[in-house]
Amino acid sequence: QKEVEQDPGPLSVPEGAIVSLNCTYSNSAFQYFMWYRQYSRKGPELLMYTYSSGNKEDGRFTAQVDKSSKYISLFIRDSQPSDSATYLCAMSSLSYNTDKLIFGTGTRLQVFP
Amino acid sequence: DGGITQSPKYLFRKEGQNVTLSCEQNLNHDAMYWYRQDPGQGLRLIYYSQIVNDFQKGDIAEGYSVSREKKESFPLTVTSAQKNPTAFYLCASSHGRGRLQETQYFGPGTRLLVL
Repeated sequence: QKEVEQDPGPLSVPEGAIVSLNCTYSNSAFQYFMWYRQYSRKGPELLMYTYSSGNKEDGRFTAQVDKSSKYISLFIRDSQPSDSATYLCAMSSLSYNTDKLIFGTGTRLQVFP
Repeated sequence: DGGITQSPKYLFRKEGQNVTLSCEQNLNHDAMYWYRQDPGQGLRLIYYSQIVNDFQKGDIAEGYSVSREKKESFPLTVTSAQKNPTAFYLCASSHGRGRLQETQYFGPGTRLLVL
């Protein structure tokens, strides 16, 4: 079993839809959770960063962490064609000895006009 | 502008050849990382360095080598021992231990193809 599981998609939605992207994980030591957006043939860019449980909102994006269920989500409101990209979740533990991030495989999102 | 640069954008390797991918950052980050990205497999860590003149193997280090002689630079060599080098290679950096270590910033990537 992989430490982080993410549905690869593709997820295809019409413009204006609310999008929900999810990851599950198995390591209860994970405390830091991130979402990256990656456009085709580009490097990933950090979208959202959350520590421990709870919600974090930034414009049209909301990141949600449920540590009891080992489940994280990224919601995109009023989705736009420019949101079409691959979304990678990533997470890390509080270990002082490593800076390693564990990544999901990414979900490809397509928003059509 | 602060950021991470990678060169070249595309690189072609012949059989038996070693090639070196460049990664430079001017973010004053202590830690730097190399990942390999293949379709359907996400990002896999090759090597990382938390300080100058020190580096550690990641999950798939075989067939690769790195150096960290300067804080700003972390070149990756793909050796002839790497039998399946075709992939998208990503360099990243972060502040390092004790300071937002988990927030990694990525370069634009280098696509390596085998001739």
